[in-house]
Amino acid sequence: DGGITQSPKYLFRKEGQNVTLSCEQNLNHDAMYWYRQDPGQGLRLIYYSQIVNDFQKGDIAEGYSVSREKKESFPLTVTSAQKNPTAFYLCASSQQGLGGEQYFGPGTRLTVT
Amino acid sequence: GQQVMQIPQYQHVQEGEDFTTYCNSSTTLSNIQWYKQRPGGHPVFLIQLVKSGEVKKQKRLTFQFGEAKKNSSLHITATQTTDVGTYFCAGRDNFNKFYFGSGTKLNVKP
Repeated sequence: DGGITQSPKYLFRKEGQNVTLSCEQNLNHDAMYWYRQDPGQGLRLIYYSQIVNDFQKGDIAEGYSVSREKKESFPLTVTSAQKNPTAFYLCASSQQGLGGEQYFGPGTRLTVT
Repeated sequence: GQQVMQIPQYQHVQEGEDFTTYCNSSTTLSNIQWYKQRPGGHPVFLIQLVKSGEVKKQKRLTFQFGEAKKNSSLHITATQTTDVGTYFCAGRDNFNKFYFGSGTKLNVKP
């Protein structure tokens, strides 16, 4: 059963703590993406990676970091420097690079208090 | 900077009525994609348009890409309650930047 998994579904953290969100795909896709979605808003691109060991900043990368050590995995760390971390985080992958058909994971809803 | 604007933000229709959402870009797009996100769910890819003036149909859904490749529309004929959700357009510009529109939230009253 191919797809993208994100864990956990809900995550609660105290302000000042770093937190890492998991994203795994078994679709053999080269490109992976992280988006942030706020209530009633569209998706904003945080980081994307078109190949292993390479990644690029999106529109709102400040306060976030990523790694791409394996093709299947693209974890996102929300650091304490992120001013408003509470949001719904979506991971996606595509066979083509940026702009290709994207497959999304179920998302992680992060709440920081 | 480059933005992809979508209107309307919300649309409430009676079941059986038609629905259209519009997507407008400030610059030329190399492609446009449409996604649907059900309440509480994640976006699901619907279609991609690449050619100027392209029109594609999926059952009751009709997608258009403008001649200038700066705008697009999604039209649903005779809406059903299963059409409820938020519809997003997304496009890649000629500078290899990719943007999602703000989405149109569709509510269908039975």
